[in-house]
Amino acid sequence: GAVVSQHPSRVICKSGTSVKIECRSLDFQATTMFWYRQFPKQSLMLMATSNEGSKATYEQGVEKDKFLINHASLTLSTLTVTSAHPEDSSFYICSASRQGNNSPLHFGNGTRLTVT
Amino acid sequence: GQQLNQSPQSMFIQEGEDVSMNCTSSSIFNTWLWYKQDPGEGPVLLIALYKAGELTSNGRLTAQFGITRKDSFLNISASIPSDVGIYFCAGREIIQGAQKLVFGQGTRLTINP
Repeated sequence: GAVVSQHPSRVICKSGTSVKIECRSLDFQATTMFWYRQFPKQSLMLMATSNEGSKATYEQGVEKDKFLINHASLTLSTLTVTSAHPEDSSFYICSASRQGNNSPLHFGNGTRLTVT
Repeated sequence: GQQLNQSPQSMFIQEGEDVSMNCTSSSIFNTWLWYKQDPGEGPVLLIALYKAGELTSNGRLTAQFGITRKDSFLNISASIPSDVGIYFCAGREIIQGAQKLVFGQGTRLTINP
């Protein structure tokens, strides 16, 4: 069964509004979670690493003020797309792994964001 | 960012045929992972490889971690319609204690019944 839950699966919002996406590890604690973005017919691009109890680490070119990440507990990370624009429309996917370097990453089911 | 070279980009095969895809990298990875993604969903882990030379099977799927640690292949035997989807390889690196995945471009598999 799923080990990482992501919500919502789809969201449509108007330009200028903010959208929050949740990522939960279901039966394990995740000190680190990852947020990816995927454009149609392309691969997954890492946006940021979410660290429980500390600031997220953003990849080069990703605006931290645009994509706010909060990892307030060991089972929940949130990604907030602030002041959304149509170009932010994309498929956002989170992932997490159990403790230990040999634990593979499991992914949520993704969130399809459409900004009108 | 860094990417793996995954090939082929797409495959059109008949049901029952075997499939082979591979990934290469200029960098060494300690772990190779293979995922399958269905439309509108997140990637699902198929096989994880942890040692150079390791050959691992999961049902009709077989994957190997190259000896040089710079490549991996995935084979699917006797394909069936539910194998349709996009397959991604991923190399995992540990940077300053944090793990990162680098993904290939994906192989889109289409099966003609």
